[in-house]
Amino acid sequence: EPEVTQTPSHQVTQMGQEVILRCVPISNHLYFYWYRQILGQKVEFLVSFYNNEISEKSEIFDDQFSVERPDGSNFTLKIRSTKLEDSAMYFCASSDPKGGQDQFFGPGTRLTVL
Amino acid sequence: RKEVEQDPGPFNVPEGATVAFNCTYSNSASQSFFWYRQDCRKEPKLLMSVYSSGNEDGRFTAQLNRASQYISLLIRDSKLSDSATYLCVVDSSASKIIFGSGTRLSIRP
Repeated sequence: EPEVTQTPSHQVTQMGQEVILRCVPISNHLYFYWYRQILGQKVEFLVSFYNNEISEKSEIFDDQFSVERPDGSNFTLKIRSTKLEDSAMYFCASSDPKGGQDQFFGPGTRLTVL
Repeated sequence: RKEVEQDPGPFNVPEGATVAFNCTYSNSASQSFFWYRQDCRKEPKLLMSVYSSGNEDGRFTAQLNRASQYISLLIRDSKLSDSATYLCVVDSSASKIIFGSGTRLSIRP
């Protein structure tokens, strides 16, 4: 069964450093998403991406965040200057518009900012 | 009012019991509704979409009440493996979905 993959599974970084989280969505999917989940809290929408541009973003997704689809398979989330409060689980998801908004999630990257 | 509201639980029920969760949403324009399950420190996994007419998938039944803006999930003959957090999810636009905080379910032998 096709699945969304994410790397790395765990990233530890120093405050102020840049991090890039990588995702490989399901191959025939056209919509891509990033979410975050702070430990013990709910899953929060960050951004949706379609046709090589951002469709929608939340208030969390400020100028420190950016997304890119550098090639036909990868979808990345960059945090330019990490803060302590960026520590969270980051999930990538993808969906096929034929399947409605059914989104399939990757296993997540746990980001720890020290 | 929160966009998507759920009873956090925990619900602690014996194996074989029937358990039901409700969820309310605030956006009357929402069109798509889902139940996801999330195991501890894992990704959310789509359990089922919720259709206006209600739908069933094995031991799981989902209902939608648009007039009252709530969604329900019924689990029959619960198994130990059903222990998880159940997330109610509602769209707020064509490209954005909102998660509830989840209801924790624990099935005891």
